[in-house]
Amino acid sequence: EPEVTQTPSHQVTQMGQEVILRCVPISNHLYFYWYRQILGQKVEFLVSFYNNEISEKSEIFDDQFSVERPDGSNFTLKIRSTKLEDSAMYFCASRGTGEAFFGQGTRLTVV
Amino acid sequence: AQKITQTQPGMFVQEKEAVTLDCTYDTSDPSYGLFWYKQPSSGEMIFLIYQGSYDQQNATEGRYSLNFQKARKSANLVISASQLGDSAMYFCALLNYGQNFVFGPGTRLSVLP
Repeated sequence: EPEVTQTPSHQVTQMGQEVILRCVPISNHLYFYWYRQILGQKVEFLVSFYNNEISEKSEIFDDQFSVERPDGSNFTLKIRSTKLEDSAMYFCASRGTGEAFFGQGTRLTVV
Repeated sequence: AQKITQTQPGMFVQEKEAVTLDCTYDTSDPSYGLFWYKQPSSGEMIFLIYQGSYDQQNATEGRYSLNFQKARKSANLVISASQLGDSAMYFCALLNYGQNFVFGPGTRLSVLP
């Protein structure tokens, strides 16, 4: 079964530090997404990416967030200056023409 | 605007019995997809089943089937022969093509031995 891979699985960082979350989507997929889920709460949309460009972003995705596809395969989410409220599970998703698969998530803890 | 409703915050089912998890949606777009995901306590989001709005038949994947009633805008997940490992949070999600996924609040399923 196709698989989306996210690294690291866990990240602990100090408030104000930059973090980079990485995702390897499914190779022939064209649509990519980042979502987050604060513990016990709903799954929230951050940003979608198509054809090497951001196609949509939410209010959460402010100037401290950025997304890149640096080498045509990996897909990164950068948080420039982390805040305590950024602590959450971050999911990358990859979609082809139908099914969409999520990675196993990166659990980010900001202390 | 897109919206997903899951009215059952929690459900219990006896092992080996079938269970239906409800999902209703709202969209004005004629082309969309409906997805179900399972989130166990470990936190990952596991794809279960997908239904396209133009698919004529209800989707099935092993013990999972999707009861798609387009006119009612419902996409209920049916799990047959429940197993203890099915205990998890289940999310219904709507995708309007060209836009992003909207997730419901989830239903916590507990399978009783």
